[in-house]
Amino acid sequence: GAGVSQSPSNKVTEKGKDVELRCDPISGHTALYWYRQSLGQGLEFLIYFQGNSAPDKSGLPSDRFSAERTGGSVSTLTIQRTQQEDSAVYLCASSLSGSGIDTQYFGPGTRLTVL
Amino acid sequence: AQSVSQHNHHVILSEAASLELGCNYSYGGTVNLFWYVQYPGQHLQLLLKYFSGDPLVKGIKGFEAEFIKSKFSFNLRKPSVQWSDTAEYFCAVEGNNRLAFGKGNQVVVIP
Repeated sequence: GAGVSQSPSNKVTEKGKDVELRCDPISGHTALYWYRQSLGQGLEFLIYFQGNSAPDKSGLPSDRFSAERTGGSVSTLTIQRTQQEDSAVYLCASSLSGSGIDTQYFGPGTRLTVL
Repeated sequence: AQSVSQHNHHVILSEAASLELGCNYSYGGTVNLFWYVQYPGQHLQLLLKYFSGDPLVKGIKGFEAEFIKSKFSFNLRKPSVQWSDTAEYFCAVEGNNRLAFGKGNQVVVIP
């Protein structure tokens, strides 16, 4: 597609349930990033994938969060046993090569609400 | 780890007024700096970026930013704003395979 796409656009879940968020990066982009945007914390880095290398998970806030990237393309962010503080907009971005000067292109986000 | 400070989180101004948003960063490595904009109901998009060369960078929609290394700053400017510039503006510094963002400036332009 022309840009980064994410699904679902909105997700409402109950505390304690697991959720999966999906990201389709721009075709040909080797680098993929997850961020989250919340009122209190602003925009925070979560995880970075580059090609077939091991991901940089240093931004994940707890072991309830995990992500994978299959075939170097689509990525799924999974949150287990969701908590109310997980409520946020989860943003995915991709860039051509992961170089520091590359532009990161952002998707529209998934708004997660944990009741 | 890198960090970014943005001040004056809420800015209200009239059309044709000049806009300047401050951005100060902290990072010990090679500096790559970005300004992103988020229009109401839309996703983040790049306004401009700096990674080397001329410290005065021109971006889309008449925006520019100046990198001042001695002040660790990358301030955004536009000489004359329009109603359509109403948006949230984020400064970011790249390092360690990630962007670190400031808290953002919510800018409202009154017609």
